[in-house]
Amino acid sequence: DTAVSQTPKYLVTQMGNDKSIKCEQNLGHDTMYWYKQDSKKFLKIMFSYNNKELIINETVPNRFSPKSPDKAHLNLHINSLELGDSAVYFCASSQGRGAPQHFGDGTRLSIL
Amino acid sequence: KQEVTQIPAALSVPEGENLVLNCSFTDSAIYNLQWFRQDPGKGLTSLLLIQSSQREQTSGRLNASLDKSSGRSTLYIAASQPGDSATYLCAVRGYMDTGRRALTFGSGTRLQVQP
Repeated sequence: DTAVSQTPKYLVTQMGNDKSIKCEQNLGHDTMYWYKQDSKKFLKIMFSYNNKELIINETVPNRFSPKSPDKAHLNLHINSLELGDSAVYFCASSQGRGAPQHFGDGTRLSIL
Repeated sequence: KQEVTQIPAALSVPEGENLVLNCSFTDSAIYNLQWFRQDPGKGLTSLLLIQSSQREQTSGRLNASLDKSSGRSTLYIAASQPGDSATYLCAVRGYMDTGRRALTFGSGTRLQVQP
């Protein structure tokens, strides 16, 4: 009965490859997010979708493309991976403006 | 642009001590503030959420306060236990950014409680 689930948990790949990370929430929330946590453990918003509509895109390179097929899913596709993309990527969801955000366990992406 | 700072960056205390973690933010126009716990290699667990109209929230041994006008929040942990060892993150949600619901995070306080 995991609330926010991400797959895969670990992703090791070579520079230049294209990869996707999937996220699903079973909480019935209307908003989903992608955050990036860098090597210094600093968490920063990348994207936010509300009812399948993109509402935040924070100066993220266009190699990163989020896709929301429905309200319960927000996937992240990354083209031409670079060394600097190595980080932990967290998916989160919330319902309404005042509600807490619920986070997945993260996807640890390592670029060789 | 909102900036969130957490002090101290790291803290080590003996078991049983009461302790306070500090969070400050530069823009007081916030909608709410959320405290999280992150264990090594794990995701974030929400601990407490304080709405901008509230001054504090309590859950078990945890108490979080909010002073919006001064841009500060504290997380008080009573009778600390080794199981409390983790990184504690403070995050605020801006009020003026219409439609924005994302959180701005501090860099965290790494807590170690020694048995």
